[in-house]
Amino acid sequence: SQQGEEDPQALSIQEGENATMNCSYKTSINNLQWYRQNSGRGLVHLILIRSNEREKHSGRLRVTLDTSKKSSSLLITASRAADTASYFCATDGSGGGADGLTFGKGTHLIIQP
Amino acid sequence: NAGVTQTPKFRVLKTGQSMTLLCAQDMNHEYMYWYRQDPGMGLRLIHYSVGEGTTAKGEVPDGYNVSRLKKQNFLLGLESAAPSQTSVYFCASSYVRGNTQYFGPGTRLTVL
Repeated sequence: SQQGEEDPQALSIQEGENATMNCSYKTSINNLQWYRQNSGRGLVHLILIRSNEREKHSGRLRVTLDTSKKSSSLLITASRAADTASYFCATDGSGGGADGLTFGKGTHLIIQP
Repeated sequence: NAGVTQTPKFRVLKTGQSMTLLCAQDMNHEYMYWYRQDPGMGLRLIHYSVGEGTTAKGEVPDGYNVSRLKKQNFLLGLESAAPSQTSVYFCASSYVRGNTQYFGPGTRLTVL
């Protein structure tokens, strides 16, 4: 079953604006990761935030994690046309079970030039 | 380094045919995974391996088998393909459990 749910499902903004995507999950986690997928390609890892961290930055990316609300957000600042892609959150559950990540359905981001 | 590679990139099968998808990684990773991606469904874990000679079931294992005879290779087999197995299949690997996963480019499979 899907663990993470991204919101919104689709987002269209103008180049230069900031884009914010949210992810909610259901069970306790060890970490939460964000991946990007360009059309027809494999997923590329963007950032990992551990359950004891609240915020993390990487270049133009900022990720927050609120374990009490079981939610995370990904902020992309000063968006560029090349940021057009689908973005997925993925959780590594701490409750045992399969060792793979559990992915959400993704947010499709379109940057209008 | 090539990272994670998958063969073939595309394949069309008829119902009942069999095939094997090959995943190879050159990063000396212990963990390898097979996912499928369907429209609007995100990625779902099919099978995974925590080391050479080991395999385990994921969320949607029915209709698939896997083998990890060599550390660098992870094979996904479909013994009798069904239209419901039409999907894009991704292989991934990671050094340790729960850490960054590195994905291959995917195999687009259509079962008629």
